[in-house]
Amino acid sequence: GAVVSQHPSRVICKSGTSVKIECRSLDFQATTMFWYRQFPKQSLMLMATSNEGSKATYEQGVEKDKFLINHASLTLSTLTVTSAHPEDSSFYICSARGQQGHNQPQHFGDGTRLSIL
Amino acid sequence: GDSVTQMEGPVTLSEEAFLTINCTYTATGYPSLFWYVQYPGEGLQLLLKATKADDKGSNKGFEATYRKETTSFHLEKGSVQVSDSAVYFCALAIQGAQKLVFGQGTRLTINP
Repeated sequence: GAVVSQHPSRVICKSGTSVKIECRSLDFQATTMFWYRQFPKQSLMLMATSNEGSKATYEQGVEKDKFLINHASLTLSTLTVTSAHPEDSSFYICSARGQQGHNQPQHFGDGTRLSIL
Repeated sequence: GDSVTQMEGPVTLSEEAFLTINCTYTATGYPSLFWYVQYPGEGLQLLLKATKADDKGSNKGFEATYRKETTSFHLEKGSVQVSDSAVYFCALAIQGAQKLVFGQGTRLTINP
């Protein structure tokens, strides 16, 4: 089945550090990738949608200069949390979809737990 | 707007009990419906899906039927196991839209 790899699985770093999270589709070409944020015991909040070769579309309230998204190839998208602060600590999850069409499921990575000290 | 409402958790059951997690939706178009499962510390895994009315999705003993008349997609399993303990998310996707709309999630704990 479709596999999405997310790396790293856990990051602990000091305030002010920029952190990059990678999301790769291993056995299919991901035309669209999604980045979510999940707070403890809560649902997923969509942060942005990115299509390969295009600028990401950010959801309302998500700072695009804070959360930089790059989707330069059909198998890789990255999320960079710039100058991270403790309030950015969260569980970040990516997903990928191979084709256009609402009935094609998104395949999720295992998530990255980010802890900013 | 489009939304998904799930049964509030947490839900605690004994092994081999019957499970139902309710899910209803509001959508302007004709959505596809999904159930995802999240095990502790992991991302989401697709459990099952249905793309049109009266479709039944099934996987690993779980089932859900797309009921247009009641705008529901309830998740059921006849006999749960301890390994089914996880958080379950109901979600929809609208034709022409790219993104999923998730319910709030239901935490399920199965005791031996």
